[in-house]
Amino acid sequence: GAVVSQHPSRVICKSGTSVKIECRSLDFQATTMFWYRQFPKQSLMLMATSNEGSKATYEQGVEKDKFLINHASLTLSTLTVTSAHPEDSSFYICSARWGPREQYFGPGTRLTVT
Amino acid sequence: AQSVTQLDSHVSVSEGTPVLLRCNYSSSYSPSLFWYVQHPNKGLQLLLKYTSAATLVKGINGFEAEFKKSETSFHLTKPSAHMSDAAEYFCVVSLTSGGGADGLTFGKGTHLIIQP
Repeated sequence: GAVVSQHPSRVICKSGTSVKIECRSLDFQATTMFWYRQFPKQSLMLMATSNEGSKATYEQGVEKDKFLINHASLTLSTLTVTSAHPEDSSFYICSARWGPREQYFGPGTRLTVT
Repeated sequence: AQSVTQLDSHVSVSEGTPVLLRCNYSSSYSPSLFWYVQHPNKGLQLLLKYTSAATLVKGINGFEAEFKKSETSFHLTKPSAHMSDAAEYFCVVSLTSGGGADGLTFGKGTHLIIQP
């Protein structure tokens, strides 16, 4: 089946610094990638949708200047959390899709901001 | 607009007994529906999906779900629970078969506990 990886799996950073999370589709080309956020013991909330080569579409309430998304190739999307604060600590999950087909999820990245 | 409601935040069953996780949805169009499982600190795994074909959908690990349009429900069942089934389960709705340009809308999740 289709495999999506995320790197790093865990990251701890200091408040005010920026963190980049990578999402890669390993065995297929992803025309669309999605970024989700999951707080402890809660559901996933869609943050943004990115299509290869174009700007990401952010959901209402998600700050695009804080959560920078780049989908530079058909196999890689990155999420950069800029000037991170403790409230940004969360589990970030990406998913990837080719055309109108099923989304495949990455294993997630645990971000802790101290 | 679309939404999904998982009626139970926690379900506890004994090993070997049936599992029922309830889900109701709301959608303006014919939806696609999914059940995902998430083990602690892990990503999501697709259990099964409904995309307007057969209303009874069989998934992995012995799970199945039935789409009932009249009841706007998509409940997940398994005849006999196994300890390894303990996890968080999410019912998900989408306007397109693959998750669409709008992404997926997740329910709040049901935590399944298996008693030995």
